[in-house]
Amino acid sequence: SQQGEEDPQALSIQEGENATMNCSYKTSINNLQWYRQNSGRGLVHLILIRSNEREKHSGRLRVTLDTSKKSSSLLITASRAADTASYFCATDLRGGYQKVTFGTGTKLQVIP
Amino acid sequence: NAGVTQTPKFRVLKTGQSMTLLCAQDMNHEYMYWYRQDPGMGLRLIHYSVGEGTTAKGEVPDGYNVSRLKKQNFLLGLESAAPSQTSVYFCASSYYDQERGWPNYGYTFGSGTRLTVV
Repeated sequence: SQQGEEDPQALSIQEGENATMNCSYKTSINNLQWYRQNSGRGLVHLILIRSNEREKHSGRLRVTLDTSKKSSSLLITASRAADTASYFCATDLRGGYQKVTFGTGTKLQVIP
Repeated sequence: NAGVTQTPKFRVLKTGQSMTLLCAQDMNHEYMYWYRQDPGMGLRLIHYSVGEGTTAKGEVPDGYNVSRLKKQNFLLGLESAAPSQTSVYFCASSYYDQERGWPNYGYTFGSGTRLTVV
């Protein structure tokens, strides 16, 4: 079963607008990550936020984490056509596993 | 610097045939993983390895076997392919962060193998 579930499943916005996608997970985590996947390619790691952090920034990306609600959000500001991709959240599991589970993804389309 | 290389990129198999997918990484990473990606299902972990000579089952291991005889290579085998194994397969690798004292979860992914079983 999936640990993380992204919302919405698909999102279409105009270039220059902000894009927000959400991830909810089920069990306690050590950290949460966001990945991007361009069509037909492998996933690329974007950002990691630890369970004791509430917000993290990287360039035009802003990630928040609310462990009480078991949810995270990824905000892409001033979107560009090149941001068109699928975005996945991924969570590890408390208990020392060296692996993560991925959500089902949000498909983002940025219209030029 | 190649990163993670998967071969082949595409393959069509007949039901019952066998094949091996190869994953090679040149980053000296300890951890390697095989995922499959199906529409609407996200990525699901098949098998993983935390070091040379060790493997472990993931979420969907049935019908697959793996081997990690060399640190840089992680092989995924399908002994008797079934149509349900039609998928895109991704290999990923990661390393132990000595400074932080835990595994680095920023995986490096290969570009995938698209497998069709007819």
